[in-house]
Amino acid sequence: GAVVSQHPSRVICKSGTSVKIECRSLDFQATTMFWYRQFPKKSLMLMATSNEGSKATYEQGVEKDKFLINHASLTLSTLTVTSAHPEDSSFYICSAQRGAGDSNQPQHFGDGTRLSIL
Amino acid sequence: KQEVTQIPAALSVPEGENLVLNCSFTDSAIYNLQWFRQDPGKGLTSLLLIQSSQREQTSGRLNASLDKSSGRSTLYIAASQPGDSATYLCAARTFNAGGTSYGKLTFGQGTILTVHP
Repeated sequence: GAVVSQHPSRVICKSGTSVKIECRSLDFQATTMFWYRQFPKKSLMLMATSNEGSKATYEQGVEKDKFLINHASLTLSTLTVTSAHPEDSSFYICSAQRGAGDSNQPQHFGDGTRLSIL
Repeated sequence: KQEVTQIPAALSVPEGENLVLNCSFTDSAIYNLQWFRQDPGKGLTSLLLIQSSQREQTSGRLNASLDKSSGRSTLYIAASQPGDSATYLCAARTFNAGGTSYGKLTFGQGTILTVHP
């Protein structure tokens, strides 16, 4: 089955640090990648959608300059949390999908990154 | 705006029971509906995907149904096992605000399932 690798699985860092999270599709070309945030005992909240080679589309209320997304290749997308603060602490999950125009393709999820800002 | 609700929020059953998890959505104009499993501290594992034109999908002990007109989906788990203990999420895929083709998933808050021996 399709495999999505997310790295790192856990990050603990000081306030003000920028943190980069990588999401890779290992066995398929991911034209579209999605980034989600999950608060404790809550559901997933879509932050942004990126298509390879294009600028990401951010959901309402998500700061573009705070959460930088780069989707430079068909197998890699990165999320950088810039100048992270304790309120950015959360569980971040990426998802990848084959095909930009075919929304009937399933999304495949990474294992998530637990970000803790001290 | 699509809203997805899951009932019950938590469920505890003895091993061997058959059980049903419920999911409802407000906007029936969906591409598909997907059921996921999430183990604590982990990402999501896709269980079943039902296209908008389909009524149900089956995989092993799992069966998911879809009734678009009433905005409902159910996940049926037969002969539950302790290893089935996890959070189960349903997600409806609809058009995003810009109307672009890839759509977006709207998740319910999940049902926490505990199957005890």
